[in-house]
Amino acid sequence: SYVLTQPPSVSVAPGLTATIPCGGNNIGSKSVHWYQQRPGQAPVLVVYDNSDRPSGIPERFSGSNSGNTATLTISTVEDGDEADYYCQVWENTSDHPGVFGGGTKLTVL
Amino acid sequence: EVQLLESGGGLIQPGGSLRLSCAASGFAFGTYAMSWVRQAPGKGLEWVSTVGSGGTRYYADSVKGRFTVSRDNSKNTLYLQMNTLRADDTAVYYCAKARGMISWRFDYWGQGTLVAVSS
Repeated sequence: SYVLTQPPSVSVAPGLTATIPCGGNNIGSKSVHWYQQRPGQAPVLVVYDNSDRPSGIPERFSGSNSGNTATLTISTVEDGDEADYYCQVWENTSDHPGVFGGGTKLTVL
Repeated sequence: EVQLLESGGGLIQPGGSLRLSCAASGFAFGTYAMSWVRQAPGKGLEWVSTVGSGGTRYYADSVKGRFTVSRDNSKNTLYLQMNTLRADDTAVYYCAKARGMISWRFDYWGQGTLVAVSS
């Protein structure tokens, strides 16, 4: 089955840019979605189809995808961005198509 | 406004059964795929199951043969029948609405219901 690999943690100072990678075999050929989960809350979709943003999500959140790595970028990081972030793909050709990465804890220093 | 409200969680002994429900409102329920995603305490998200608008069902290997997803479009409700429960099924179970042209994403989530499997 398809595997998505994320680093357990990323740290960034307020006002700077955070990049969260999501690795997978030839992930650049797939559509990647990203979720933010704050402590004690349900996940929220922040980027879909690699780089699109749902309504209400700030432009500070952006995504890219190429080769074997998809990336979520959060510019001008704020304290409220501290959360867990998960990448996800849907493998249409698989019997068990839903796949999440292990998640990355973003710490704002 | 899209709302998803899970219910049915609780404490259950290993080997027992439980049925979760997810009441949906604010969108055309019957035209969207719906999913269950779980999160064990202190762990990441794990996709569990999805039922398409046409009734096609998908399961994670970890639950296949033990869990059954279903939907009642007349009641705008999603279900997850969980049998032969194990300790490693302990998790918060989220209901999520799925959408997408090629790759389904989960654009709305409920607040989750806790299932604890323990003797």
